Amino acid sequence: GQSLEQPSEVTAVEGAIVQINCTYQTSGFYGLSWYQQHDGGAPTFLSYNALDGLEETGRFSSFLSRSDSYGYLLLQELQMKDSASYFCAVDTNAGKSTFGDGTTLTVKP
Amino acid sequence: DTGVSQDPRHKITKRGQNVTFRCDPISEHNRLYWYRQTLGQGPEFLTYFQNEAQLEKSRLLSDRFSAERPKGSFSTLEIQRTEQGDSAMYLCASSDQAGDGRYNEQFFGPGTRLTVL
Repeated sequence: GQSLEQPSEVTAVEGAIVQINCTYQTSGFYGLSWYQQHDGGAPTFLSYNALDGLEETGRFSSFLSRSDSYGYLLLQELQMKDSASYFCAVDTNAGKSTFGDGTTLTVKP
Repeated sequence: DTGVSQDPRHKITKRGQNVTFRCDPISEHNRLYWYRQTLGQGPEFLTYFQNEAQLEKSRLLSDRFSAERPKGSFSTLEIQRTEQGDSAMYLCASSDQAGDGRYNEQFFGPGTRLTVL
């Protein structure tokens, strides 16, 4: 089966940088995705890594190390609107996506 | 609106009743996923379709749950003999799986919130 671990909560101040880690165990690994979900909203896609290295999309970057079964999401220049839950999700080559339990990010002024 | 839509948005039912939810994916997206989410948890994979073929189904799913995507467009999720433990948000997502399969951005619908009394 698949399992993912990510911190349950992270707190940071506006303008800061925060890193949310994700470790996973799976067979048939295909890629690691990151999603953002605000309270009462649906998850929205942030980033995807299939290969080792860093992917940058504006203020958000995501990193993957397949050999370490590890990835992280880096959020820079934090804004109040970044307060949300962040999920890592593992895609397998069978097409299944398994999500972690999420990290609640609180951005304080 | 060209996003993923789900109907109904809310459903309240009594234990033992059957319920059916509908999902309309983004046009021409070939993959469609169903998830269940409870408070404080991540989306839990239920099943997914590649066009009209159901390719994967969670072992967590009992035989009370069934999903169809008859023409490779919209999909329905039916829960028979509902139980209080089925109360959750049911999310649908679609994606356009490219030929090389390396990119899988899923677009989520707003969800159907099910309450079983």
